[in-house]
Amino acid sequence: GAVVSQHPSWVICKSGTSVKIECRSLDFQATTMFWYRQFPKQSLMLMATSNEGSKATYEQGVEKDKFLINHASLTLSTLTVTSAHPEDSSFYICSARVLAGDYNEQFFGPGTRLTVL
Amino acid sequence: TQLLEQSPQFLSIQEGENLTVYCNSSSVFSSLQWYRQEPGEGPVLLVTVVTGGEVKKLKRLTFQFGDARKDSSLHITAAQPGDTGLYLCAGPKPNFGNEKLTFGTGTRLTIIP
Repeated sequence: GAVVSQHPSWVICKSGTSVKIECRSLDFQATTMFWYRQFPKQSLMLMATSNEGSKATYEQGVEKDKFLINHASLTLSTLTVTSAHPEDSSFYICSARVLAGDYNEQFFGPGTRLTVL
Repeated sequence: TQLLEQSPQFLSIQEGENLTVYCNSSSVFSSLQWYRQEPGEGPVLLVTVVTGGEVKKLKRLTFQFGDARKDSSLHITAAQPGDTGLYLCAGPKPNFGNEKLTFGTGTRLTIIP
């Protein structure tokens, strides 16, 4: 399957700082990537859809000024958590969409655990 | 409200036993996918089912898509400790074509050696 990487795998930061998370498709080009958030013992919650060369589309309730997404190339999308606060602590996962005939498949990165002190 | 409800939420069984987990919806899905996620990692795609009534096998795992394409099941035969993980079903979010996925509530499976 397609390989997606994320960096960093974990990060600890102070409240009020900004943190950037990178998502890369390693062996394929991805015009569309997705960013998810996962709380402990819960399922994945879609935050936003990242489209190469255009603005990201955010799910209802997700602050676009808080979670900045940039998809500047066909293999890289970045999520920046601005002015992070303890409630932003979570497991952030990206995925890249791969067309598979009549349906799409998503391949996920290994996730980034963010802890805001 | 969750579009995809999974049951049971938690399941803990002995190695060697069989089990079935379910993914149910009141909506029709054009396809459903099953993922397994281990702690601290991203989900890994196991299978995609597309046709109503379809059955797919992946070694000891058997996936079935309901005839009406509203539900799916995952059956594991002779469970092993390596099967431990969070199992998630997912399908295309209605009204968004095939672009976005909506995930089920998840089943956390623990296989006891």
